[in-house]
Amino acid sequence: KNQVEQSPQSLIILEGKNCTLQCNYTVSPFSNLRWYKQDTGRGPVSLTIMTFSENTKSNGRYTATLDADTKQSSLHITASQLSDSASYICVVSASGGYNKLIFGAGTRLAVHP
Amino acid sequence: DARVTQTPRHKVTEMGQEVTMRCQPILGHNTVFWYRQTMMQGLELLAYFRNRAPLDDSGMPKDRFSAEMPDATLATLKIQPSEPRDSAVYFCASGLVLDGQPMGLDTEAFFGQGTRLTVV
Repeated sequence: KNQVEQSPQSLIILEGKNCTLQCNYTVSPFSNLRWYKQDTGRGPVSLTIMTFSENTKSNGRYTATLDADTKQSSLHITASQLSDSASYICVVSASGGYNKLIFGAGTRLAVHP
Repeated sequence: DARVTQTPRHKVTEMGQEVTMRCQPILGHNTVFWYRQTMMQGLELLAYFRNRAPLDDSGMPKDRFSAEMPDATLATLKIQPSEPRDSAVYFCASGLVLDGQPMGLDTEAFFGQGTRLTVV
């Protein structure tokens, strides 16, 4: 069964600190992996997208890594800001026939001053 | 500014009533998703359309939910009759996917702001 699991479920950090969020997946055949940020009351917004051949992708203070062999991804946030408080959702796209996005449950991040 | 538009943003209704949620995908996009998000389940795929044709609606309770695309600029999700357990945020997303191709680097799923449904 295609699944995406994220950890931790929630995280609290102080402003200015770094943090790393984890994503493990069992989606096959794999097409790509995305990280979305979802602010409270808003729809998800894409941060990064990586295909099988890519193992790192940055978007400002966000850096995503992908290990397609172990089927793991991480999202590293550097020098966190209060505006980083949100849910971060790992999404894996399966290929073959038609495709769909498989969502993880998300990590809820709270950045405190 | 191209964006996915969903209406209404909020809906409170009594159990048993019909609910219709609307989505205007980004002009030119050929793929529309309907998702439901709850605190317990996260995001769940309800239905998926390509070129207005339903490709996957296995996530929808068939007895009460229905999804349609009357035209390329409008997608609807109906619940009849609604139940308290349907309370959730319903998201519509759209993207442009080439026939036979997976959603890749040149495609993106853009989400609307969601419709927050409360059934009392």
